[in-house]
Amino acid sequence: NAGVTQTPKFQVLKTGQSMTLQCAQDMNHEYMSWYRQDPGMGLRLIHYSVGAGITDQGEVPNGYNVSRSTTEDFPLRLLSAAPSQTSVYFCATGQGGKTQYFGPGTRLLVL
Amino acid sequence: EDKVVQSPLSLVVHEGDTVTLNCSYEVTNFRSLLWYKQEKKAPTFLFMLTSSGIEKKSGRLSSILDKKELFSILNITATQTGDSAVYLCAVALTHYGGSQGNLIFGKGTKLSVKP
Repeated sequence: NAGVTQTPKFQVLKTGQSMTLQCAQDMNHEYMSWYRQDPGMGLRLIHYSVGAGITDQGEVPNGYNVSRSTTEDFPLRLLSAAPSQTSVYFCATGQGGKTQYFGPGTRLLVL
Repeated sequence: EDKVVQSPLSLVVHEGDTVTLNCSYEVTNFRSLLWYKQEKKAPTFLFMLTSSGIEKKSGRLSSILDKKELFSILNITATQTGDSAVYLCAVALTHYGGSQGNLIFGKGTKLSVKP
């Protein structure tokens, strides 16, 4: 039982490049979400999903896409990376209205 | 605009001290308040509070919610160096974007416990 896994742990991108941050869970949770954490800003919701095939925007969705084809996976895509997207990204899952489990995070640096 | 405010932003204490961390909120459609501990990596879940006046306890940590005054406190008694971390408060909103799981976070309180 791995819980929530994220890959990669660290990534450097150049401005304009695209990439996908992977998130997988093995707890059969319907709810999954992506947050970014920036110094002095706290955690902010990017996108979330309440089940396979259902996604919606959070507080800061611009520049990011998501999809949810299976219960287990919830990838986050950066379409054209910008320095403002330099951050630490966390995937989180939950059940019963409680976001309980966070992945280990992906640290992204955009040059 | 929904917001969650934590105080103090940072705190330095010595082992054995008792600390109280504060979290106030101004939100529409409140559902629950959650506390997390974040060390070097991912936040780990501590408590979820939904009702006023009912204390949640786990070892030396306890928390209580006041829905009338819109705040919560997290108490840590007999602090240890292992309690050093950032403590995050978050509020879950009913129907926020259609999901009960979405959270609005405060900026956190950084607690440092000195030996």
